[in-house]
Amino acid sequence: QVQLQQSGPGLVEPSQTLSLTCAISGDSVSSNSAAWSWIRQSPSRGLEWLGRTYYRSKWYSDYGASVRGRIVVNPDTSKNQFSLQLNSVTPEDTAVYFCARYTTGWFFDYWGQGTLVTVSS
Amino acid sequence: EIVMTQSPATLSVSPGERATLSCRASQSINSNLAWYQQKPGQAPRLLIYGASTRATGIPARFIGSGSGTEFSLTISSLQSEDFAVYYCQEYKNWPPDNFGQGTKLEIK
Repeated sequence: QVQLQQSGPGLVEPSQTLSLTCAISGDSVSSNSAAWSWIRQSPSRGLEWLGRTYYRSKWYSDYGASVRGRIVVNPDTSKNQFSLQLNSVTPEDTAVYFCARYTTGWFFDYWGQGTLVTVSS
Repeated sequence: EIVMTQSPATLSVSPGERATLSCRASQSINSNLAWYQQKPGQAPRLLIYGASTRATGIPARFIGSGSGTEFSLTISSLQSEDFAVYYCQEYKNWPPDNFGQGTKLEIK
């Protein structure tokens, strides 16, 4: 059974960096058949895919247009986890952030528990 | 850009009855549709993918159907734990963030 356990702060000040981690059990971040994503949910934007990392003989990461240039998603093979860094946050980045996995299609079969991140001073 | 439209926004049904939720795509997505259930304070839970294939551990009362542009999710006999918000997602196109706006299934 795959489990994703998120960790990270729930409050970030404007212009600072939002950092979250997703620890994986029951699968490997280095899997050749999975990809590991960050998704956020807010009343104004709904469910919004932010970015992913995956391994296919080498590491790849790519990002959604709305956050490209501010986001980094990295794997950590030593801890079997992956991370999200979102820079220069504003109150519009306030949302519930989820990590999630997809494998055979671009639908998400396992999700982390979610982290409410509030951007406020 | 494909637009996903769910209807109704809210559906009131009594426990034990059948509920049918609809999802329409503005252009064909073949069978590249997933359904999720989300309860307050929880992550979405995958119910259906490929328009009609139940995900691991999903009860048989959840039935997905449709292809092309018209899809439905039927819950054959509502249990108390089924009252939640349901989202459809098309995954024919990248990036995978094209979700419907959700249908809230509430107790009548």
